[in-house]
Amino acid sequence: DIQMTQSPSSLSASVGDKVTITCRAGQSISDFLNWYQQKPGKAPKLLIYGASNLQSGVPSRFSGGGSGTEFTLNINSLQPEDFATYYCQQTYSTPRTFGQGTKVEIK
Amino acid sequence: EVRLVESGGGLVQPGGSLRLSCSASGFTFSIFWMHWVRQRPGEGLVWVSRIYGDGTATDYADSVKGRFTISRDNAKNSLYLEMNTLRAEDTAIYYCARAGDTTNFRAFDIWGQGTVVTVSS
Repeated sequence: DIQMTQSPSSLSASVGDKVTITCRAGQSISDFLNWYQQKPGKAPKLLIYGASNLQSGVPSRFSGGGSGTEFTLNINSLQPEDFATYYCQQTYSTPRTFGQGTKVEIK
Repeated sequence: EVRLVESGGGLVQPGGSLRLSCSASGFTFSIFWMHWVRQRPGEGLVWVSRIYGDGTATDYADSVKGRFTISRDNAKNSLYLEMNTLRAEDTAIYYCARAGDTTNFRAFDIWGQGTVVTVSS
């Protein structure tokens, strides 16, 4: 199984800040890395697929990068609605594995 | 509207069984891999199982292999998860999700709202 490790596990930020979340894969997964946002009591929502492709309808302040084993999710100018938990996921092989999540909280 | 709606969750005793359903609408259900993902209270997302569009291929997480069975009925646009020999650690919200093809790197682009399974005596 491919282990996915996110850092940090949580962070506090203010509206307008730039936030970066890192995801590392236990082995190379090419670009098969996706990012999801989950708000309390809601289902996850796809933000970024293929490491850097913005899902339709997702604001352009979200961006992703990386390849191989190291990936980043960036949120430029954090908005109130962005406070949530973010998960990375690899879809390179089965089982599809998720990172442990990064909770973005209001400072 | 593209939509997935789960049902069938509830309270079950340890060792019991439950069948979850996921009803799909708004897209050609039969051409997509479908997955189940679960989330224990206060924890992260964990992949459970997947099934190919025509139902001929399935995979399971080690933690549920031999106890859970995924299936689908494309005529009814429905996905199922038969859960047997349930344990307390199976308590979770269960989500069904649609996976795209390699053009979207197989990402899970549509999710249901989830159904709650509680295993307790």
